Amino acid sequence: DQQVKQNSPSLSVQEGRISILNCDYTNSMFDYFLWYKKYPAEGPTFLISISSIKDKNEDGRFTVFLNKSAKHLSLHIVPSQPGDSAVYFCAAETGGTSYGKLTFGQGTILTVHP
Amino acid sequence: DGGITQSPKYLFRKEGQNVTLSCEQNLNHDAMYWYRQDPGQGLRLIYYSQIVNDFQKGDIAEGYSVSREKKESFPLTVTSAQKNPTAFYLCASSKTGGMDGYTFGSGTRLTVV
Repeated sequence: DQQVKQNSPSLSVQEGRISILNCDYTNSMFDYFLWYKKYPAEGPTFLISISSIKDKNEDGRFTVFLNKSAKHLSLHIVPSQPGDSAVYFCAAETGGTSYGKLTFGQGTILTVHP
Repeated sequence: DGGITQSPKYLFRKEGQNVTLSCEQNLNHDAMYWYRQDPGQGLRLIYYSQIVNDFQKGDIAEGYSVSREKKESFPLTVTSAQKNPTAFYLCASSKTGGMDGYTFGSGTRLTVV
């Protein structure tokens, strides 16, 4: 049962343009969402997060949007840079007794061409 | 510098052998986690521990065991009962659950030969 899904295995964009990575979830108990970036043979690094009480959170070039009614979140990167090329994972947390336990999507490989 | 250290980076194991992956953190984090990454499947939770001397099974705990005798250390043993152990293993820690974000180690690539 895949509770967090990233339906696009890969995305290719030109440098300077916007990258939009999407994530869908099925569990309405998720109350916190996070995005991670991962390079090959390295551990993921935390990028940005959003609470379920918000619909937008911005940090520099990265903005995360949450649409609770659609159970959908997206990560916007503007402008995209070649160094952004990596695998991006969305993750979600339910809190309560599962506090701290994250459920991850399958990941989307982003390639930014110079 | 604070962080999480996983060792070794690459590990080869013969079928039928148990092997232990090390994970040490000096971030003073209470919670620690083990994830497994397979191609196209994202990260799947094996075990997690929110305090010393306590841990819970994740989604794919069968064939694995852990201990949490010290706050800084959370070793993972891959036993011979694990049917498909070849994977990339990631250890993580967090201060107050997931809301602060995890800090991940650099991973251990385990290959069964």
